[in-house]
Amino acid sequence: GAVVSQHPSWVICKSGTSVKIECRSLDFQATTMFWYRQFPKQSLMLMATSNEGSKATYEQGVEKDKFLINHASLTLSTLTVTSAHPEDSSFYICSASSGTYNEQFFGPGTRLTVL
Amino acid sequence: AQSVAQPEDQVNVAEGNPLTVKCTYSVSGNPYLFWYVQYPNRGLQFLLKYITGDNLVKGSYGFEAEFNKSQTSFHLKKPSALVSDSALYFCAVRDLGGSQGNLIFGKGTKLSVKP
Repeated sequence: GAVVSQHPSWVICKSGTSVKIECRSLDFQATTMFWYRQFPKQSLMLMATSNEGSKATYEQGVEKDKFLINHASLTLSTLTVTSAHPEDSSFYICSASSGTYNEQFFGPGTRLTVL
Repeated sequence: AQSVAQPEDQVNVAEGNPLTVKCTYSVSGNPYLFWYVQYPNRGLQFLLKYITGDNLVKGSYGFEAEFNKSQTSFHLKKPSALVSDSALYFCAVRDLGGSQGNLIFGKGTKLSVKP
């Protein structure tokens, strides 16, 4: 299957700082990328969907000014958590798809801890 | 609105015994159903999917799932469980109401296989 990577795999930061998470499709062109958030012992909650070259579509309740998403190329999407606070601590997972209704391939996730 | 339900938070099975992880769905049209597995601090790995065709779907690692339209179920099964199958399992349905083909996940079922 296709491979999706995320970097970093874990990050610890101080409250008030910004953190950037990268999601890369390594062997296919991802026209659509999805960002999920997962709290301990809970399911994945879709945060936003991004299409290459256009603005991301955010789910209801997700602050677009806090969670900045950029999908600048067909192999890279970034999620920046701005002015992070302890409540932003979570496991962030991206997935990538080569088409709107094509298979989604998931990255390994990024564990964010905000002190 | 589309949704999936996983009624069991945890399933305990002895190694070598058959296992079943339950999933029921609610969709307005034909369902696109998926099963994913997640190991600790990892992203999701695709197991299998049902789009159309044969109701019995075979997937990775010896897993299979049976689509039952009358019972709106898509239970995951394996004839003989392995200790290494212990993980978190998610059932998902494609959000046909959305424009991006994103997935809606159940809350997950923790599978514990004891030797």
